[in-house]
Amino acid sequence: QVQLVQSGPEVKNPGASVKVSCKTSGYPFTSYGISWVRQAPGEGLEWMGWISPYDGKTNFAQKLQGRVTLTTDTFTNTAYMELRRLRSDDTAVYYCAKDQDFLIDYWGQGTLVTVSS
Amino acid sequence: QSVVTQEPSLTVSPGGTVTLTCASSTGAVNNAHYPNWFQQKPGQAPRPLIYRTNNKHSWTPARFSGSLLGGKAALTLSGVQPEDEAEYYCLLYIGAIWVFGGGTKLTVL
Repeated sequence: QVQLVQSGPEVKNPGASVKVSCKTSGYPFTSYGISWVRQAPGEGLEWMGWISPYDGKTNFAQKLQGRVTLTTDTFTNTAYMELRRLRSDDTAVYYCAKDQDFLIDYWGQGTLVTVSS
Repeated sequence: QSVVTQEPSLTVSPGGTVTLTCASSTGAVNNAHYPNWFQQKPGQAPRPLIYRTNNKHSWTPARFSGSLLGGKAALTLSGVQPEDEAEYYCLLYIGAIWVFGGGTKLTVL
């Protein structure tokens, strides 16, 4: 069955970086893109960006461009999201989701990233 | 950046019918925005319900349906159940990126 399993919670200082992983299984990894979505406490969903594991092509929300990097490892079928220069308003649950052909179906369980001094 | 607008909250009686809508600041929503709809309950990851305007996932209950209505994307729940109380988000593809709506809190009362 399709599974996306994310790494555990993180606590970071302002200005630091965080890298969240999303290990996939149950489907051909390079045939489907991965979107990253975040949700601040008590707030709505925010789409961050998308990557194709097939060719590394990416798209990003304008707000985060320059601070976020998306990568994939096709040997371990794992996607990664790195966010730099963290601020307190980056505190959120970060999700990965399988996304291809305008269909977003399976989601990871979410990773809480807390930015606090 | 484009803004996607949903009703902040709606209330429906058990067994009733309710329609949630999703509008784009760029103009009328059409199939090229590939609307997706998600349900989210507290403490859970979003659960996909509808993709590409009106297509259901294998797990989507029959009482949920998607459409275009009056220049907006729409999610209709017919025969609402108490377990449908949740936050609902639409997602539109605008200018080669995805944009979420702010969400609709649906209360079943």
